[in-house]
Formats: sequence, C-alpha cells, structure tokens
Amino acid sequence: SQQGEEDPQALSIQEGENATMNCSYKTSINNLQWYRQNSGRGLVHLILIRSNEREKHSGRLRVTLDTSKKSSSLLITASRAADTASYFCATDGGGSYIPTFGRGTSLIVHP
Amino acid sequence: GAVVSQHPSWVICKSGTSVKIECRSLDFQATTMFWYRQFPKQSLMLMATSNEGSKATYEQGVEKDKFLINHASLTLSTLTVTSAHPEDSSFYICSAPGLAVEQYFGPGTRLTVT
Repeated sequence: SQQGEEDPQALSIQEGENATMNCSYKTSINNLQWYRQNSGRGLVHLILIRSNEREKHSGRLRVTLDTSKKSSSLLITASRAADTASYFCATDGGGSYIPTFGRGTSLIVHP
Repeated sequence: GAVVSQHPSWVICKSGTSVKIECRSLDFQATTMFWYRQFPKQSLMLMATSNEGSKATYEQGVEKDKFLINHASLTLSTLTVTSAHPEDSSFYICSAPGLAVEQYFGPGTRLTVT
C-alpha cells in the first residue's frame, strides 16, 4: 500500500506559532500531495511535490520530501486560527496516479 | 480552480431505502471521477473509480451491487447506496482529477441511515 501516515495525529498551537506535520510512506512514489480538510467538508489541494523535488513553497506553506527516508513534512509558518483543519498527505506510485491518503493530522490553532 | 459540487450535502434515510448522491464538475469535463468514503477522524478510503462511457472500477471489498455508480456524462457521476443500512452511514466524497495528479474534491455528502 502507498498509504502515508501522518504524525502527529493531533497538534494544538497558538496563533503565530509554526506548525509542522510529517508524513511517512512505505514504497516508492511518483508524487506526494498535501490536502486540507475543514470539518465536515471536502478536501482542498494545497501543494504537490514530485519525487525528484526536495522542497516546495507556497505562501506560508513549505513542503519537504526526503525519498531516502520515505518521508515528507508540511510546515505552516505564522499560523492563524483559520488554519484550523485536518491535513492529509496523499501518495501515488506503482503505476497508479490515484492518490491514497493517510489518516491526517488534526491541527487546532488557538487565537 | 476547478469546482466540483455534490448533492445533497446531507441526507437522512431509513434503513432499507436507496439514496443517490450526485457529483458534478462545474467548469470542466471529467472522464474519470473517484468516490471516497470517510469515517469520523479517519482517512479517505477509495471506493471506486467512475469512468464515463464504461463500467466503474471498484476497490477490493466494495460491493458493486450495493454501491451503484453511473457516470452519466462528462460532468456527472452518481453513487447510489442501495438498501442502505446504519453501517453505511458515513461521509461520501467525490473527486475529479486535474491536469496534473491533483484532485478536486466535492464538499462531501453526510449520509445517516436510521
């Protein structure tokens, strides 16, 4: 299975602090994506990083990928209360482009 | 970005009845759509791949006779939960792929079977 596993399962921080979430996976991948899900809603695509990339930025988001360790991290800088959501990593590979999702990290940012 | 809608947003039905959930791509065509199921505080589990013009491809363990999928057009896929039971209560989400491998998700449908 390509399923990623996020760590920690839950994270509670104060507004303004940075939030770091990690994702580990088991087999070789083509791409790794991070998604955000607000409670009771669909997922929103945040960022995609390809297997030959090591780091990508998008606004306050920074994603790293270490294929040797089969892991990725999502850093949200200067967090805001509106960042409160669940964050999922999704990987695809092995001939399939269909992403499979981890269990997610529940992030709570206190104002 | 691309928009995917789902209808209804939530539905409560009695055990034994069937429920149809629609997934529409609003501003783009989608020859493929995906249906996921999500339990509270759990991951998304892929149920099936909906293909326009051909049969859906179901993941292992998903009953195709219970979860009927019809990709009626390039912008519409429907999931019908037949003879629903309380254990079918869940959050159902559809998605359609973008130009790369990113997925555009619908807002989800909360199904409660009483």
